[in-house]
Order: sequence, then C-alpha cells, then structure tokens
Amino acid sequence: NAGVMQNPRHLVRRRGQEARLRCSPMKGHSHVYWYRQLPEEGLKFMVYLQKENIIDESGMPKERFSAEFPKEGPSILRIQQVVRGDSAAYFCASSPLDRPAQRNTIYFGEGSWLTVV
Amino acid sequence: TQLLEQSPQFLSIQEGENLTVYCNSSSVFSSLQWYRQEPGEGPVLLVTVVTGGEVKKLKRLTFQFGDARKDSSLHITAAQPGDTGLYLCAGARRDDKIIFGKGTRLHILP
Repeated sequence: NAGVMQNPRHLVRRRGQEARLRCSPMKGHSHVYWYRQLPEEGLKFMVYLQKENIIDESGMPKERFSAEFPKEGPSILRIQQVVRGDSAAYFCASSPLDRPAQRNTIYFGEGSWLTVV
Repeated sequence: TQLLEQSPQFLSIQEGENLTVYCNSSSVFSSLQWYRQEPGEGPVLLVTVVTGGEVKKLKRLTFQFGDARKDSSLHITAAQPGDTGLYLCAGARRDDKIIFGKGTRLHILP
C-alpha cells in the first residue's frame, strides 16, 4: 500500500452534506481507480481515470457522485447530498500502465471510511 | 457483466491445516491478482498471474491461474493465525478495468 495516499481516513457527514475524498497516486502512476466497499462485501468498481480524463465511469451512480483527476493535485471523489446508504469504505488505487509487465496491477490506499449520520 | 465468483465465502479452520480457495469466471482475463485485506485497511497485493497455467509460490501460499485464464486458486499450506483475513481475487480486462470478487473470509483458529 505504500505510496497511495488517501485522506481523510475517516469522515462523518450529516445527511444532505457533501463529502470529498482525496487520493494521491503512487509516484509515477498516471491512472487512478475508485472502489466502494460495503461491510462484509467485496470491492465494487466505481470509476477509472487518468489525468484530466475519465476513462470508465460505468460504476458510478448517475446522480450525486462525481470524480476528477486534474493535471495537478490529487484525484477527488465527490458525493453531494449524502444519504445513509453512502456510508462505506472508499478505496483508491493507482497503476503505472506504462510498463507491460505491470500493466494490470493496481496498488491500493488505506481507504476513506465515510459515515453518514 | 463479468463476474468473479469466489468460494467459499467463509472458511474457519484450525492452525496447521491446509486449505484452498477458488476464484471462477466465465470470462477470460488478461491477468489476475490476489489481495489480502485486514479490517480497517486497504487490500494488499499478494500476487499477479498472467500466463494460463502459471503457478506462483509465496512462502506457504501457492497461486495458480487456470489454463484458459478464467479461474484461479489459492492454496495455503499449514495455515497460521496470521493468515486470517479477507482474500480477494481481481481480474483485469483488456480495457484495463479491474473487477473484484466478493472475497473469501478466512479465519485460522489457534
């Protein structure tokens, strides 16, 4: 997990507020994935981005959720008007995708735990 | 939708026993990864397998990728309490999207 930095680690929001989760990929990694994990479940794909480009957002809910990975700075997963069902662990992962041998390996951050009260 | 099915979902065994967990799909993946996740932490990469039929060993853990690159297994020899955790398999598609199974929750009893 070394290198992929996520913050905050824990976030509490009231229903209707906004949540912003940040992810800085490993040095040299140009691609970022966001996954959501509900208690006792596996990881569910949300979105896959490279800098300034969303490659695949097929796992993102149509409303309230958005993600970006700007040219400078971390990737941001934004959840507007949070509801209790948004409570989950959100994991970011990064990959280099510039070396064929490591093309399909991703490395995870420690996660951000969102609690909506 | 490509799915990765992991089995068993839960496994509780005594220290010193051997075990195998499985990851199956009807789809072909360009590679497959195994991760272990402990409570409150992110998944940690254990291994990546790329070639059909490939076998990789990591101390007491043996990983195999099926010949058709649709399935994989993880065998643990002489399990120890430190092996306790959630084991996740993840398949990488050609478009670089990586999908996960729901995991096998392993508990090793001392």
